Amino acid sequence: EAEVAQSPRYKITEKSQAVAFWCDPISGHATLYWYRQILGQGPELLVQFQDESVVDDSQLPKDRFSAERLKGVDSTLKIQPAELGDSAMYLCASSLALGGAYEQYFGPGTRLTVT
Amino acid sequence: DQQVKQNSPSLSVQEGRISILNCDYTNSMFDYFLWYKKYPAEGPTFLISISSIKDKNEDGRFTVFLNKSAKHLSLHIVPSQPGDSAVYFCAASEDYKLSFGAGTTVTVRA
Repeated sequence: EAEVAQSPRYKITEKSQAVAFWCDPISGHATLYWYRQILGQGPELLVQFQDESVVDDSQLPKDRFSAERLKGVDSTLKIQPAELGDSAMYLCASSLALGGAYEQYFGPGTRLTVT
Repeated sequence: DQQVKQNSPSLSVQEGRISILNCDYTNSMFDYFLWYKKYPAEGPTFLISISSIKDKNEDGRFTVFLNKSAKHLSLHIVPSQPGDSAVYFCAASEDYKLSFGAGTTVTVRA
């Protein structure tokens, strides 16, 4: 069964350092999402891509966060500099296409700890 | 502002009995609703969904009910099994963007 891949699974970094997460969506899925999940809360959307274009990044803290999906396949989310409040699970999800399906399929996530 | 709320953080149920999970929402523009299940150290997995034009959808042991006038949906699991022990998230879609509740942790007791 096709899955969304994410790496690394766990990341510990010091405050003010840069950190990057990678996501490879299910093959053929045009829409890719990055979510942040703080412990005890549900996932919150950070950025949404349709192919290589950003559809929605209204909740992305753009002073420190950036995301790209250069070839419309895999994607990278970067934080620079990391802050203590960034400690969370970062989830990547994909779906067939915007307007094509509601169901999103999630990867296992990257657990970030900022010390 | 939390648009999707799951007011019960946890639920304990005996194996074989019914589990009922509740979810309330405030945004009348939501047009599709989903439930996800999450095990520790894994990402959420899609469980069942319902369109806003329906009031019930059933898939095996799982049934979702939607009451649009009350802005309320529920997930029924019958019968509950030990493998159902997980965190369940309610999600609602507007323009294919999902808003999630905080989750309900279900524990099925033997």
